[in-house]
Amino acid sequence: AIQMTQSPSSLSASVGDRVTITCRASQGIRNDLGWYQQKPGKAPRLLIYAASSLQSGVPSRFSGSGSGTDFILTISSLQPEDFATYYCLQDYSYPRTFGQGTTVEIK
Amino acid sequence: EVQLVESGGGLVQPGGSLRLSCAASGFTFSTFWMTWVRQAPGRGLEWVANIRHGGSETHYADSVKGRFTISRDNAKDSLSLQMNSLRAEDTAVYYCARDHTSSVGGRYYDAFDMWGQGTVVTVSS
Repeated sequence: AIQMTQSPSSLSASVGDRVTITCRASQGIRNDLGWYQQKPGKAPRLLIYAASSLQSGVPSRFSGSGSGTDFILTISSLQPEDFATYYCLQDYSYPRTFGQGTTVEIK
Repeated sequence: EVQLVESGGGLVQPGGSLRLSCAASGFTFSTFWMTWVRQAPGRGLEWVANIRHGGSETHYADSVKGRFTISRDNAKDSLSLQMNSLRAEDTAVYYCARDHTSSVGGRYYDAFDMWGQGTVVTVSS
């Protein structure tokens, strides 16, 4: 199975900060990657698919980049509602695998 | 309203069985792959299984292969997960999700664009 490793595991940031989260695949996955946001007690929400395509209804401050093994989720200006846990997910092969998550906390 | 609603969770003893259901509404269920994802308490997300539109193709995580069976009834807009030989490590919130295929630059990509609220499964004696 392809292993997905996110870094950092957590970070503290302030409203207005630019935040980047990295996801690395154990082998090349082209750009078959999505990013999800999850708030406590809630179901995940799709943010980005195909590594860089913004899901309908998601604010443009979220963006994704990368291909092959290295991917980045960027939040250009952190908003109060963005404090959550973020997961990457590869859809290149089975079994699908998530990263372990990155929690964005308020500084 | 477009939604997914899971049911069937509960407390079960190790070695027991449980059947989860997911009722879909507001979209053409039969045209989408569907997926189960779980989350153990305090842990991250784990993909469990998915099933093709017509039910002819399924895939499973190694951790559940041979114990769980995913199925669907397109006439009833319903997805199921039959869980047998349950273990303590199967304790989790189980989510059903719609697997949406998008075309970007001539290629197709899968992503889970719609989720249910989850149902809690606890395996304990």
